[in-house]
Amino acid sequence: AQSVTQLDSQVPVFEEAPVELRCNYSSSVSVYLFWYVQYPNQGLQLLLKYLSGSTLVKGINGFEAEFNKSQTSFHLRKPSVHISDTAEYFCAVSDYQGAQKLVFGQGTRLTINP
Amino acid sequence: DAGVTQSPTHLIKTRGQQVTLRCSPKSGHDTVSWYQQALGQGPQFIFQYYEEEERQRGNFPDRFSGHQFPNYSSELNVNALLLGDSALYLCASSLQGAGAYEQYFGPGTRLTVT
Repeated sequence: AQSVTQLDSQVPVFEEAPVELRCNYSSSVSVYLFWYVQYPNQGLQLLLKYLSGSTLVKGINGFEAEFNKSQTSFHLRKPSVHISDTAEYFCAVSDYQGAQKLVFGQGTRLTINP
Repeated sequence: DAGVTQSPTHLIKTRGQQVTLRCSPKSGHDTVSWYQQALGQGPQFIFQYYEEEERQRGNFPDRFSGHQFPNYSSELNVNALLLGDSALYLCASSLQGAGAYEQYFGPGTRLTVT
């Protein structure tokens, strides 16, 4: 079984500042890793995914994440945030078994202050 | 290209009643997964349907049941509603096959049980 821990429930930052949202996972098998964003009163939108290959993955809206197998982490970063990045961010994992079941973390609320 | 659609958008039911939620997958997708997102929490996997059969199930009681139709659309049924069933119900569609691990989410159905 897999589990995901998002280490910060809320992250406030100023506009144009860098941000890092932290995610750690636990699994007895190899996993695929995902970051989703949820804007108020909306569903989830995929930001980026790690399936294999380069451990640094780039996604939409200027976000990137780095897979660290030894630390079982998949932290999300953006060098300069905008007001429009205010949203809930979810880290998720799925296993290699092909079932595509996603296990989500509790979410991190990113608040951008002007 | 239509994305994942869900109906209704909002629903208010009374304890003990039954509810049916509907989902149409993204064009070309053949697999539908359902998730429950309680307020302030990450989504939790309910079950997944492929080829009109339940393929995998999360830790949800038998009051939660589903169906997939030949056109790949799906229904989620919840019987004997409890106050704790109040949540955002998300449908996600995907495609079976090698490398197809990306799930596309619909906007969700907000269920309130009073």
